[in-house]
Amino acid sequence: DAGVTQSPTHLIKTRGQQVTLRCSPKSGHDTVSWYQQALGQGPQFIFQYYEEEERQRGNFPDRFSGHQFPNYSSELNVNALLLGDSALYLCASSLVGTGPTYEQYFGPGTRLTVT
Amino acid sequence: GQSLEQPSEVTAVEGAIVQINCTYQTSGFYGLSWYQQHDGGAPTFLSYNGLDGLEETGRFSSFLSRSDSYGYLLLQELQMKDSASYFCAAGTLGDNFNKFYFGSGTKLNVKP
Repeated sequence: DAGVTQSPTHLIKTRGQQVTLRCSPKSGHDTVSWYQQALGQGPQFIFQYYEEEERQRGNFPDRFSGHQFPNYSSELNVNALLLGDSALYLCASSLVGTGPTYEQYFGPGTRLTVT
Repeated sequence: GQSLEQPSEVTAVEGAIVQINCTYQTSGFYGLSWYQQHDGGAPTFLSYNGLDGLEETGRFSSFLSRSDSYGYLLLQELQMKDSASYFCAAGTLGDNFNKFYFGSGTKLNVKP
């Protein structure tokens, strides 16, 4: 049973650039959520995708956008990178189906460094 | 706003019992989850409380009191491998979709 996978593992970008991170959910899951985790902090909710639509959004600017594909995989895009965007970006999948869920499976994350 | 408070660090010896507390202030609250994260690893789900009371899963138990906006994670028979960061996460519900607010985490150090 394939777990949540993310790519790339590490990424170094320059201020002002754009980045795309990718996530494949756990087999059988239909919902993907994205989190930003700064060093020594808890994950901060960015947004959640279900049926290719953004369903919930955290307190992040419009520079952060996403997409979900018909196969449930997802992308996180960040434009106009700032130094403060340096963090571990985590993808979590869950099965919503017909109702909310409380158990999320996290991927290993993508470590983004902005210089 | 949404906020969760938990101690930043706890130290205990192998074989002991440790309790990690979490207080929360979240609108639309529907349950409290706990996650474990080893250094360099992904958070892994440990436990969930949707109702008041105690939930037990092996060596781990979790408790919730909605009236006190308080919960805790209890780890028994501590092992060295339990050294990790532990996060409480408050689930909120809107339009049948949920999102989670995480605390800053409690670093547990287990000593021999």
